[in-house]
Amino acid sequence: NAGVMQNPRHLVRRRGQEARLRCSPMKGHSHVYWYRQLPEEGLKFMVYLQKENIIDESGMPKERFSAEFPKEGPSILRIQQVVRGDSAAYFCASSPPGLDGTDTQYFGPGTRLTVL
Amino acid sequence: AQSVTQLGSHVSVSEGALVLLRCNYSSSVPPYLFWYVQYPNQGLQLLLKYTTGATLVKGINGFEAEFKKSETSFHLTKPSAHMSDAAEYFCAVSDPGTGRRALTFGSGTRLQVQP
Repeated sequence: NAGVMQNPRHLVRRRGQEARLRCSPMKGHSHVYWYRQLPEEGLKFMVYLQKENIIDESGMPKERFSAEFPKEGPSILRIQQVVRGDSAAYFCASSPPGLDGTDTQYFGPGTRLTVL
Repeated sequence: AQSVTQLGSHVSVSEGALVLLRCNYSSSVPPYLFWYVQYPNQGLQLLLKYTTGATLVKGINGFEAEFKKSETSFHLTKPSAHMSDAAEYFCAVSDPGTGRRALTFGSGTRLQVQP
């Protein structure tokens, strides 16, 4: 059973460009989470999605950032007009369907975004 | 809002020595508690978690942690460190009271193991 897949692993963008980060959850998992890790810091929650629904986006910056998890295909985290402060590692996690929050979140290897 | 404090951003131990990584949380309701390990340039791997039941939790690679409600702590221990334990360790919590699934992470503790 393949783990959480993220691509690309490394992404370089110039200021003002768009960044698209992809996440394929583990087989059978319908919950996806995105976290951001700034250098020398812990992970910060951004958004929690189920298929075709954003459940919790309390950690998403109000501008330039968006996320989706379509019925078919991977979850996408999109950053428009990137700035240097967006440089970070972005991790995706997935968990199986469940009624409470006890399920383990399984993390992907991350996408390291560098903004020049 | 919940917060997680990991005392000691860097911990160094000798191979074979006890490993103790500290984690305290702030929450009026006992949260769900997790320890993850991160190796360089990799994602996070779950070591162990506490949701309900027995307060001493055993995880992978010989690690264990004890939930102490009175001390709002969930410290991670291993009796004997191996060189392969060198990594960054993160404590995380989620809040069952709100139903939110987002994890709140501590800032991490980098463990060095000296030969």
